[in-house]
Amino acid sequence: KAGVTQTPRYLIKTRGQQVTLSCSPISGHRSVSWYQQTPGQGLQFLFEYFSETQRNKGNFPGRFSGRQFSNSRSEMNVSTLELGDSALYLCASSGAGTGINEQFFGPGTRLTVL
Amino acid sequence: DQQVKQNSPSLSVQEGRISILNCDYTNSMFDYFLWYKKYPAEGPTFLISISSIKDKNEDGRFTVFLNKSAKHLSLHIVPSQPGDSAVYFCAARGRGAQKLVFGQGTRLTINP
Repeated sequence: KAGVTQTPRYLIKTRGQQVTLSCSPISGHRSVSWYQQTPGQGLQFLFEYFSETQRNKGNFPGRFSGRQFSNSRSEMNVSTLELGDSALYLCASSGAGTGINEQFFGPGTRLTVL
Repeated sequence: DQQVKQNSPSLSVQEGRISILNCDYTNSMFDYFLWYKKYPAEGPTFLISISSIKDKNEDGRFTVFLNKSAKHLSLHIVPSQPGDSAVYFCAARGRGAQKLVFGQGTRLTINP
C-alpha cells in the first residue's frame, strides 16, 4: 500500500506570493491533517479534514487555508507569504483500523520564503 | 502556550546504553500519548503510544512510562543502536479531540 505523498517536495517563493501544497493520503484514509514544523517549535497543528469538511483548526491566521476533495486528497494554501512561513509542511492521514492516534505522515514540503 | 514540552533539544548516548527521552505536559485533559521518530527528509513515523489508564507500555526495545501526577512521560530505548539516531517527538491527544499536540522534539545521537 502506497504511503502518504506530498507535492512538491521543495518550493521557493518570495514574500507576498501565494502557494498551494498537495497531499494524497493512504488509500482508504479519510482524515487528513496538516502540520507546520519549524526549528524549536516542533509540529504545530494547522487543520484537519474529514470527508471534505474541516473538522479541526489550529491557531494560524486566515492566510492559511485548506480543502479536501471527494477522493480524500487535500490541498493547503498560504496567501501573502511572509518570511516566517518558511517551514516544513507535513501532511498526515489516518483512517478506520489505524486509530485516529496513529497518523501516518508524508515526507513533507519544504517551503522557503525569500 | 506550549502544552507539550521536550526540554532537551538534544541527547547523545553511547551505543548499547539506555536512551531516556523526556516529555512534560500541562493539560490534564490529555488522555493519550504518542512518540514519533523522524529521520531527515522523511515524515515522522509512529513509534509507541500509551493511554492515560496505563503507566507503562513496552514494545521490544522501546518502553514508554507515564506519570500522570507529575504530568510527565518518558521513552526508554534499550539497548540503543546507531539506527536510533533521529529526532523524537512526543505528542498528546485530548479526550475526544482529533488533533495531536506535539512537543518541540529531541535530537538523539547514538555514538558507536
